[in-house]
Amino acid sequence: EAGVTQSPTHLIKTRGQQATLRCSPISGHTSVYWYQQALGLGLQFLLWYDEGEERNRGNFPPRFSGRQFPNYSSELNVNALELEDSALYLCASSLAPPYSYGYTFGSGTRLTVV
Amino acid sequence: AQKVTQAQTEISVVEKEDVTLDCVYETRDTTYYLFWYKQPPSGELVFLIRRNSFDEQNEISGRYSWNFQKSTSSFNFTITASQVVDSAVYFCALSETMIYNQGGKLIFGQGTELSVKP
Repeated sequence: EAGVTQSPTHLIKTRGQQATLRCSPISGHTSVYWYQQALGLGLQFLLWYDEGEERNRGNFPPRFSGRQFPNYSSELNVNALELEDSALYLCASSLAPPYSYGYTFGSGTRLTVV
Repeated sequence: AQKVTQAQTEISVVEKEDVTLDCVYETRDTTYYLFWYKQPPSGELVFLIRRNSFDEQNEISGRYSWNFQKSTSSFNFTITASQVVDSAVYFCALSETMIYNQGGKLIFGQGTELSVKP
């Protein structure tokens, strides 16, 4: 069974540009979650999508947005990039609550803003 | 507010030593879930265990064991006879009730970096 796949593995952008990160969940999983792991800030919850809808959002500005497609894959967009957006972005998938038994994470996209 | 504290930032042991990683949590919910994840240098978070708030039984899986104590809000993780391959960052996490529309948010501790030297 294929795990959660994320692309690209690495992404380098200039301040002010937009970044698009992609995530494909495990087959059968309808929920996709995004987390940011910035140096010194730990793992922070960003977004949760299920059945194509945004269900929950962390404490991040609106320039962090995303969507979930009919095949349950997801895209995270970060607009007007700032230097502090440099981080590892992790995607996870699960069955939708209350049936989720754990979150399976991908290997992440390392975003570097210069 | 929900919070997870892993007071040990870094731990260094020699192979074959036992090591315990501490995790203390805070929550007002009566129903919640606790997790441990391992993050090797590759970056992927590897799921180790999930425990719900109603199940205080300790669990053992090979060299890994977990001690859940609701009275002290702790969920500690012990590796017996550590190996070099255990070197990684370990995260404890809390998820409150899995009721739909409230789920999807894991609150992570800051992580403990374990270094096992040969």
